[in-house]
Amino acid sequence: GENVEQHPSTLSVQEGDSAVIKCTYSDSASNYFPWYKQELGKRPQLIIDIRSNVGEKKDQRIAVTLNKTAKHFSLHITETQPEDSAVYFCAASTTGGFKTIFGAGTRLFVKA
Amino acid sequence: NAGVTQTPKFQVLKTGQSMTLQCAQDMNHEYMSWYRQDPGMGLRLIHYSVGAGITDQGEVPNGYNVSRSTTEDFPLRLLSAAPSQTSVYFCASSPGERRYGYTFGSGTRLTVV
Repeated sequence: GENVEQHPSTLSVQEGDSAVIKCTYSDSASNYFPWYKQELGKRPQLIIDIRSNVGEKKDQRIAVTLNKTAKHFSLHITETQPEDSAVYFCAASTTGGFKTIFGAGTRLFVKA
Repeated sequence: NAGVTQTPKFQVLKTGQSMTLQCAQDMNHEYMSWYRQDPGMGLRLIHYSVGAGITDQGEVPNGYNVSRSTTEDFPLRLLSAAPSQTSVYFCASSPGERRYGYTFGSGTRLTVV
C-alpha cells in the first residue's frame, strides 16, 4: 500500500522567513496530494491540495509543488507569521481521495 | 450546517470493554473515514466508506468494526478495548465526485486502562 514520508519532523523559523516541508510517496498511482494544518488541540484542516495533472499551485502565502517523476511534493510558506505555528501533514491518495494516507507531520515553530 | 459531529469527546474504558464512537455529517458527503492519531505517528487510517453500505479496511483495522447504513452516520466500534487503542480518534468526510478534501470532526480522546 501507499507510504508517505515527511521531513523534517520539526522546523523552527524566524517570522518573515520561508518554510519548506517535503514529502515523498511510494505508489506511483497516487493522484491527489492534500496538506492539512492542525493547531494545538484542534482538528486538522485542509489548507491546500494538488492533483497529479498539475505541477504547482499557489494560494496567497502558501504553495505546493509536485514532482511525479521523483514522487516528491512540497509545501512552501512564505513570509511566515506566528499564527502559522502548527503541525502540518502531507497526504496522498491513489483513489480520488477516500483512501488518504498521511505523513507523520511537521511541527512548525515561527519565532516572533 | 453542523459539519462532522463526533461523540463522545472524551471516554475512559477498561480493558476488554466495548464501545461505539459516533460520527455524523450533515453535508451529504459520500466519503467518510476514521483515523487515529498517536504522538509522532500522524493520522493512520482505520476504516473508510465510499457510500452507504460500502466499507473497507485502512492501514490499522484490527480491533475495530464499522458499518454505514445511512449516508450521514459512520460509527466505529471497538470490540474489546486494549491499552494500545488509547488514542485520539478523528472522523472525516469528503464530498467525493472529484471534490476530495476532508472535513474533520473535533475528535474523541479515548483512554483504555
